[in-house]
Amino acid sequence: EIVLTQSPGTLSLSPGERATLSCRASQSVNSVYLAWYQQKPDQPPRLLIYGASSRATGIPDRFSASGSGTDFTLTISRLEPEDFAVYYCQQYGGSPPGGTFGQGTKLEIK
Amino acid sequence: VQLEQSGGGLVQPGGSLRLSCAASGFAVSENFLTWVRQAPGKGLEWVSVIYPDGKTYYADSMEGRFTISRDNSKNTFYLQMNSLRVEDTAVYFCARGLSNYIYWGQGTLVTVSS
Repeated sequence: EIVLTQSPGTLSLSPGERATLSCRASQSVNSVYLAWYQQKPDQPPRLLIYGASSRATGIPDRFSASGSGTDFTLTISRLEPEDFAVYYCQQYGGSPPGGTFGQGTKLEIK
Repeated sequence: VQLEQSGGGLVQPGGSLRLSCAASGFAVSENFLTWVRQAPGKGLEWVSVIYPDGKTYYADSMEGRFTISRDNSKNTFYLQMNSLRVEDTAVYFCARGLSNYIYWGQGTLVTVSS
């Protein structure tokens, strides 16, 4: 099973700043099968990015992502108040079919 | 597209519970259908998926205890959970898709406690 490790665990930033979140895999991941989600309290996750770098429908262009192999990054160029949430990466496409999630990065207001 | 969850609640260790996820706007028979859970204050954990052809897969810790199924006539899919453990306590979400989950249910809390 592929283990995803996200860092940092918590990121404290101010609105307007740039956020960079990391997701590192224990073995190489096909970038086609790497997604990022945002989750706010008491809500289901929201798909932000699929295929490592493609924004899902309706996701603002301040969200971008990149990476390949074992290292993936989600960047939020200029933080808006509504961006403060927990972010998860997910890899899939192998066994089990649903893959695995990282443990999450909490983005909090400084 | 909507997913409306029901079921959940408090159950004793060793007990059983069935979660339901009623779909609208698409046919469950033609889609991959997934369950994901989240323990209190913890991250997301993939639980199970059923394929359009009926194949089912489970996370290792749920294999043999949980069963995913669907009722095409009701356009609903289910998660039957048996031999529940304290560590199964979580909010359970249903979702459409094998991955890249755009559509989610609202989540339902399952508490396993004596």
